[in-house]
Amino acid sequence: EAQVTQNPRYLITVTGKKLTVTCSQNMNHEYMSWYRQDPGLGLRQIYYSMNVEVTDKGDVPEGYKVSRKEKRNFPLILESPSPNQTSLYFCASSAQGPRYGYTFGSGTRLTVV
Amino acid sequence: DQQVKQNSPSLSVQEGRISILNCDYTNSMFDYFLWYKKYPAEGPTFLISISSIKDKNEDGRFTVFLNKSAKHLSLHIVPSQPGDSAVYFCAAYPTGTASKLTFGTGTRLQVTL
Repeated sequence: EAQVTQNPRYLITVTGKKLTVTCSQNMNHEYMSWYRQDPGLGLRQIYYSMNVEVTDKGDVPEGYKVSRKEKRNFPLILESPSPNQTSLYFCASSAQGPRYGYTFGSGTRLTVV
Repeated sequence: DQQVKQNSPSLSVQEGRISILNCDYTNSMFDYFLWYKKYPAEGPTFLISISSIKDKNEDGRFTVFLNKSAKHLSLHIVPSQPGDSAVYFCAAYPTGTASKLTFGTGTRLQVTL
């Protein structure tokens, strides 16, 4: 089944403890992206990648890192999480670019205490 | 600065009637627009899109209208069904960028029996 898989689905962590949210797609898509969803703010783009080793900042990149060492994986790294990073995170991928539609993962709900 | 706005956080419509969801944008560089639908505990799914060279695009019960001069687009669902109850996001893609898709804040549609 073609899909974008995120892990974990739920995570509660403490301030300052480094964490990684994994994202993997099995569709050989070139484009991948991370979004966060917050009440009243909709979906905001954190980082995106156009291909292996090609990444760029979205609208809210502060406090996040990404890497794209292979086409299928696009992990989101929080080096020192803070409570304002408590959010619902979505990974997405697209074959031809987001104007043709992203396929989203099911989301990761992160709580930083 | 919210470049894509959905001013109605929620909308309730009776089954069988028309649902109209609205979206406004401020950036004149946007040239492609998409609608996504999101159910609870799932990622958004792509619904329908429209290029700025068109003013209407239809797909079954879903029609998107674009008014470039007013920087406004709308999604019409006819007839509305209970399964359409979800959060709807509009998104906009600017010309000249690779992966920067900007989402609105979302409208929660409730279709009642």
